[in-house]
Amino acid sequence: NAGVTQTPKFRVLKTGQSMTLLCAQDMNHEYMYWYRQDPGMGLRLIHYSVGEGTTAKGEVPDGYNVSRLKKQNFLLGLESAAPSQTSVYFCASTGQILNEQFFGPGTRLTVL
Amino acid sequence: KQEVTQIPAALSVPEGENLVLNCSFTDSAIYNLQWFRQDPGKGLTSLLLIQSSQREQTSGRLNASLDKSSGRSTLYIAASQPGDSATYLCAVLYNQGGKLIFGQGTELSVKP
Repeated sequence: NAGVTQTPKFRVLKTGQSMTLLCAQDMNHEYMYWYRQDPGMGLRLIHYSVGEGTTAKGEVPDGYNVSRLKKQNFLLGLESAAPSQTSVYFCASTGQILNEQFFGPGTRLTVL
Repeated sequence: KQEVTQIPAALSVPEGENLVLNCSFTDSAIYNLQWFRQDPGKGLTSLLLIQSSQREQTSGRLNASLDKSSGRSTLYIAASQPGDSATYLCAVLYNQGGKLIFGQGTELSVKP
């Protein structure tokens, strides 16, 4: 039981490049989330999903897109990376019963 | 506005001391409250989850309490150890499947 996994762990991009972050969970959880964590700003919700095929905007969705084509996967895309998107990105998932959120190890992204 | 506040922002104690971390929230209509631990450069590890109907939860040397009427939760750590050094985050969930609202965290340092 791997829990929540994220790939890649680290990435450096140049301004304007695109990339996709992958989150996978093996706990059959309905709900999945993407957060970013920045010094002094805490954790902020980017997008979330309440089930396969559904997505919704969080607090800071601009510049990001997401897809949940399979229940176990939640993808976060950056179409045209900007230096302001330099951050640590965390994925989380939770089941319907307890609503306890489990987090992945994070992806450290630097945009030059 | 739903806000979560953690005091103090940083705490340094000698090994063996019992300590209390505080979390307060502005809206008492919570669904549950979760305490996390985050080590530097790592993801968030769930420590304890308290449902809105519960008053406390215990796991080993950790005890979390919840007082909805006063909008407060405390995390009690008994017999602290250097390995307890980390940032502790409190997060409140207001709706099933909804987003967690995080406090800014308390950075704990336990000195040998």
